Amino acid sequence: GQNIDQPTEMTATEGAIVQINCTYQTSGFNGLFWYQQHAGEAPTFLSYNVLDGLEEKGRFSSFLSRSKGYSYLLLKELQMKDSASYLCAVRDRRIKAAGNKLTFGGGTRVLVKP
Amino acid sequence: NAGVMQNPRHLVRRRGQEARLRCSPMKGHSHVYWYRQLPEEGLKFMVYLQKENIIDESGMPKERFSAEFPKEGPSILRIQQVVRGDSAAYFCASSPTVGRKANEKLFFGSGTQLSVL
Repeated sequence: GQNIDQPTEMTATEGAIVQINCTYQTSGFNGLFWYQQHAGEAPTFLSYNVLDGLEEKGRFSSFLSRSKGYSYLLLKELQMKDSASYLCAVRDRRIKAAGNKLTFGGGTRVLVKP
Repeated sequence: NAGVMQNPRHLVRRRGQEARLRCSPMKGHSHVYWYRQLPEEGLKFMVYLQKENIIDESGMPKERFSAEFPKEGPSILRIQQVVRGDSAAYFCASSPTVGRKANEKLFFGSGTQLSVL
């Protein structure tokens, strides 16, 4: 089975840094994704990790440790528009059967305060 | 290049009625995934389809729910005899390939909010 855990909610101040942790226990692994979702809108892709290490993309970075089943998403220089839910998702290793099917965690709601 | 299109955006049904949700994938995408999201929760996988084939329906309830992706036209998620517990946001996503590129991702539509009275 698949089990993906992330905190339910986090609050941070504009201009600060927030780190959202995600731990996973899955039967297979072929990549970890982070999506951003504003209320009532479609999830949008933020980052992808399949090898251990840090991937940096502007103000957002994502880290993966496969041996620990652990990832984090780092948001720097927070802006008010970053208030959203952040979804951690794992892709199953069995690509031929599962395609690009993703299993999502419950999401972390981030509230950015002035 | 239009994104994933879902309609209707909002759907209200009374208990016992049928709900039909439509999804047109991005141009060139032949793989469609349906997810359900309850308020304050993550996305739960329901079904994965390719053109004319259901590949994985492990997340779909055995009764009342069905999905199709015909050769022509959009993918349809059908819920028969809806109950209040079916109220949720239903998201469709598409992708172009089956993992040929390591970083292939899902593109999501804006969802259909189903409300059952």
